[in-house]
Amino acid sequence: NAGVMQNPRHLVRRRGQEARLRCSPMKGHSHVYWYRQLPEEGLKFMVYLQKENIIDESGMPKERFSAEFPKEGPSILRIQQVVRGDSAAYFCASSRDPQGPNYGYTFGSGTRLTVV
Amino acid sequence: GENVGLHLPTLSVQEGDNSIINCAYSNSASDYFIWYKQESGKGPQFIIDIRSNMDKRQGQRVTVLLNKTVKHLSLQIAATQPGDSAVYFCAENIPRDTGRRALTFGSGTRLQVQP
Repeated sequence: NAGVMQNPRHLVRRRGQEARLRCSPMKGHSHVYWYRQLPEEGLKFMVYLQKENIIDESGMPKERFSAEFPKEGPSILRIQQVVRGDSAAYFCASSRDPQGPNYGYTFGSGTRLTVV
Repeated sequence: GENVGLHLPTLSVQEGDNSIINCAYSNSASDYFIWYKQESGKGPQFIIDIRSNMDKRQGQRVTVLLNKTVKHLSLQIAATQPGDSAVYFCAENIPRDTGRRALTFGSGTRLQVQP
């Protein structure tokens, strides 16, 4: 029973390029969350998605960032025209129905984005 | 609340001692809390959770205490082992009018276990 799978583990992009981060949730989980973590800091919420729906994107920067969770395939976090300040670890988590009594997330191992 | 550019506080304990990690959460309406452990280079790992209608919950070697009066959460680790060395985050669920349920993470505490 594979956990949350994120790829790539490490991604290096030059300023101005695009970064695509992928996340496949755990089997049976239909809710996906993306978080960003800077070194020595906590996790900051970015976006919460269900299949084909964005439920809450209140943590997403207004420009250059987008996320999707299509009917088929992984969830994608896309960062266009990356800048050095985008360098961070991006974690994906999934859960069962969060309206249920307990819905602790399962996290992936993260993608470490470095912008050079 | 969210950490903004601060270095993580560190708790250093001797192997075999008990550890207590504290967390002040942000919202009195929060109804569900989780402790996560994050080892270097890895994603956060679920440790234990507690609902707001409880004040204590025990797991294997870990206990979570919830004090809603002062909005305080603590994680107690018994007989701390070197493998417990990690960063520990508390997370709270703040109910939203929109129905969104997504966890808000605290700033984290680094636990260092001395052999």
